[in-house]
Amino acid sequence: GENVEQHPSTLSVQEGDSAVIKCTYSDSASNYFPWYKQELGKGPQLIIDIRSNVGEKKDQRIAVTLNKTAKHFSLHITETQPEDSAVYFCAATPGNYQLIWGAGTKLIIKP
Amino acid sequence: DTEVTQTPKHLVMGMTNKKSLKCEQHMGHRAMYWYKQKAKKPPELMFVYSYEKLSINESVPSRFSPECPNSSLLNLHLHALQPEDSALYLCASSTRTENTEAFFGQGTRLTVV
Repeated sequence: GENVEQHPSTLSVQEGDSAVIKCTYSDSASNYFPWYKQELGKGPQLIIDIRSNVGEKKDQRIAVTLNKTAKHFSLHITETQPEDSAVYFCAATPGNYQLIWGAGTKLIIKP
Repeated sequence: DTEVTQTPKHLVMGMTNKKSLKCEQHMGHRAMYWYKQKAKKPPELMFVYSYEKLSINESVPSRFSPECPNSSLLNLHLHALQPEDSALYLCASSTRTENTEAFFGQGTRLTVV
């Protein structure tokens, strides 16, 4: 079955710098890759997603890239702000109902 | 409106109690989900409803009983829970079950004493 690995587990960056979180997946049938942001005490919030027929997608300060050949996808956050501090989860879905989640990255923005 | 509403936000219950968690969405989504999330872990899928019918039960103990009264509502009935069932219970919905955006509620923080 599908397996998703996410790195790093913790990422600390200076406010204003960029942050990159990377995920790899194992099942080449996976064709939908969402990213969720989860703040303390809240539910996961979908922030961006990408489908396998697209290599890159951008929404303001957030971008996601997908390399189907290497089976990895990454979240890029530019000009980080204190409100970006949260846990970020990547996920992959191999064509069924199931979201296969990464382990999560705790992003800390230092003032 | 991409909102999934869960009640209550917090729940403390004894091991002999019966309680219910509620979830509501008005996005016209036909797939709804229950997830369980332990601290510092990703959500774990429990149940999937598609068109108000239970389509997936991820080997969840029978002390958790889901119910989908209509296309907008999803309940999770709890009975005889154990302390290890303490977790954040999340409801989510999507237009369909395959390869599409899933929107989560804020969760119910459950503590079993």
